[in-house]
Amino acid sequence: IAGITQAPTSQILAAGRRMTLRCTQDMRHNAMYWYRQDLGLGLRLIHYSNTAGTTGKGEVPDGYSVSRANTDDFPLTLASAVPSQTSVYFCASSLNPTGELFFGEGSRLTVL
Amino acid sequence: GQNIDQPTEMTATEGAIVQINCTYQTSGFNGLFWYQQHAGEAPTFLSYNVLDGLEEKGRFSSFLSRSKGYSYLLLKELQMKDSASYLCAVRDSNYQLIWGAGTKLIIKP
Repeated sequence: IAGITQAPTSQILAAGRRMTLRCTQDMRHNAMYWYRQDLGLGLRLIHYSNTAGTTGKGEVPDGYSVSRANTDDFPLTLASAVPSQTSVYFCASSLNPTGELFFGEGSRLTVL
Repeated sequence: GQNIDQPTEMTATEGAIVQINCTYQTSGFNGLFWYQQHAGEAPTFLSYNVLDGLEEKGRFSSFLSRSKGYSYLLLKELQMKDSASYLCAVRDSNYQLIWGAGTKLIIKP
């Protein structure tokens, strides 16, 4: 692993199903983030974690949950997917909450 | 509310210079970032400004005026590979990043 890795790259999901997007980084960064990117809109923060063991809500947290059991992993869970959650999801990390962000390659999720 | 404004799309010619503007209204200011994002790929870091003035990095430069709530990204000697979206983001008083919708730059030969 080099940098930050997301899985899956792409997924089609039926509405109502549960889905977890995985994110792993090997840079020992303290802070991690989940964003969604929709056409015509800026990146919108879903949840973040400034350090292992802590999480916080971003701009659009409803319908999503996260956990940060260790430094490297920051999974995002959709408990019951809805079509409005169709988007490209980016995981990112930074050495600390004030530093530049490094992004994963993105997960394209389609909810039907 | 907090807001970042950038032009939606710009077109420029290979070899020329282009300036992409960004204006912001945020609750506090703790730095401004520019990122490049090629279609279907992840954003990658280009520059960071926290003090007024110009930061130069090769063909790319970024300028900041905090009193005017204004920044620009200057790209010189444009190459076809510079065709991408350019994202402006500001850290507010809570150190959260507020993102603009991005400027799609089209380079023509």
